[in-house]
Amino acid sequence: EAQVTQNPRYLITVTGKKLTVTCSQNMNHEYMSWYRQDPGLGLRQIYYSMNVEVTDKGDVPEGYKVSRKEKRNFPLILESPSPNQTSLYFCASSGTGTGLEPTTGELFFGEGSRLTVL
Amino acid sequence: AQSVSQHNHHVILSEAASLELGCNYSYGGTVNLFWYVQYPGQHLQLLLKYFSGDPLVKGIKGFEAEFIKSKFSFNLRKPSVQWSDTAEYFCAAATRGYQKVTFGTGTKLQVIP
Repeated sequence: EAQVTQNPRYLITVTGKKLTVTCSQNMNHEYMSWYRQDPGLGLRQIYYSMNVEVTDKGDVPEGYKVSRKEKRNFPLILESPSPNQTSLYFCASSGTGTGLEPTTGELFFGEGSRLTVL
Repeated sequence: AQSVSQHNHHVILSEAASLELGCNYSYGGTVNLFWYVQYPGQHLQLLLKYFSGDPLVKGIKGFEAEFIKSKFSFNLRKPSVQWSDTAEYFCAAATRGYQKVTFGTGTKLQVIP
């Protein structure tokens, strides 16, 4: 079954304790992205990756890191989490593009990871 | 910077009522447009998409949307809503080689039986 898998789904942590949210897709998609969802703000893009070793900042990258060492995985790293990073996080992938465009923007989402930072 | 605006934050309708949710985007170049739905406790799923061609696009579950280039709009419609349509709806635009996907703030739809 084609899917985007995120772990953990729920996490409560404390300020400053490094954590990683993993994301893996089994669709051989080149494009992957992380979003955070906050009430009244919709989804905001954190980082995205066009392919292995190619990443770029989205609209709200502060406090986050990513890496793309393998095509299927795109982990989100919070080096020193703070309470304002309490949010619902979604990983998404896309492989619907052709030629020079690896994506049309059509996204396949994971189930989400709800993170609480105390 | 590109942006996507959804005018209705919370909509309450009775079953069988007609639905129209507004979406405007601000970007002068080529865009691909999407509507996603998020049912309570679930992830986002694609409802419909517009890349080019016929500006009236049909999606799943009886939803449709109309792209009006002159108004930078991509409104979502459904002639008759059902209780199961209760969800949050997000409009999105993909620009800059479609790498940059920007979402609106979402519209929560509540359908009353």
